[in-house]
Amino acid sequence: AQSVAQPEDQVNVAEGNPLTVKCTYSVSGNPYLFWYVQYPNRGLQFLLKYITGDNLVKGSYGFEAEFNKSQTSFHLKKPSALVSDSALYFCAVRDNADRGSTLGRLYFGRGTQLTVWP
Amino acid sequence: NAGVTQTPKFQVLKTGQSMTLQCAQDMNHEYMSWYRQDPGMGLRLIHYSVGAGITDQGEVPNGYNVSRSTTEDFPLRLLSAAPSQTSVYFCASSYGTGGTEAFFGQGTRLTVV
Repeated sequence: AQSVAQPEDQVNVAEGNPLTVKCTYSVSGNPYLFWYVQYPNRGLQFLLKYITGDNLVKGSYGFEAEFNKSQTSFHLKKPSALVSDSALYFCAVRDNADRGSTLGRLYFGRGTQLTVWP
Repeated sequence: NAGVTQTPKFQVLKTGQSMTLQCAQDMNHEYMSWYRQDPGMGLRLIHYSVGAGITDQGEVPNGYNVSRSTTEDFPLRLLSAAPSQTSVYFCASSYGTGGTEAFFGQGTRLTVV
C-alpha cells in the first residue's frame, strides 16, 4: 500500500545552520514526490517536486531535496536556515502505478514542525 | 489570478446541521479534491474528481457528499454534522495527475458543537 512517513514530528535548528526534514515513502510503481509548506492558518504551498532525472531537485526559498531510490527517501534540505522557515512541512507521493479509484491520489505524511530559533 | 478559493474560512455548526463548503478554481484544472487536516494525522482524502461529472471516494468519505457540475466548482456537503467532523478542510486542484503539483485553498476551519 502507498504511504509516506515523516519520522520526526519536530525539528529544531538554529538560524544559519543546515536543516534536514526527513521523508520516506512506499509505492507500488515509481513515485512522484512533493514537498509542501504550511504557515499558520494558511493553506499548503508547493515547494518542490521530483518526477524523474536528477536526484537533487531545487525548489522555492532555497530548499532542495534529494531523491534516493534505494532508500526510498526524499529528504528536504536547506544549507542555511532562516527564522522565517519555521512552519509545518509535508511530504507527499503519487504512485505512477495507481489506476482506477486511486488515480492521481496524493498520499501525505503526518507533517514535521520546523522551528528555527534566532 | 485567484487560484483556489474556499468559502467560508470559519464555520461553527450544531450537531445534525448540514452545510456546504464551497471551492472554486480558475486555472482550468481537471483534478480537484477535498482533504481534512487533523492534528498529527496529516491530510486525509475525502473525495476527489477527475473532471466535470466524475467524482469518487477517498479514504474518509463517510458523512460527506460532493458533486462536480462544472470544471471550476467542487462543493463539499456535510449531510448531518457530527463533532467528529470538527477539522480544517482543504480543497486542492491540479492540472492532471502524475507529476503535476496540487494547488491548495486557504482552508475552512469547521467546528461542530
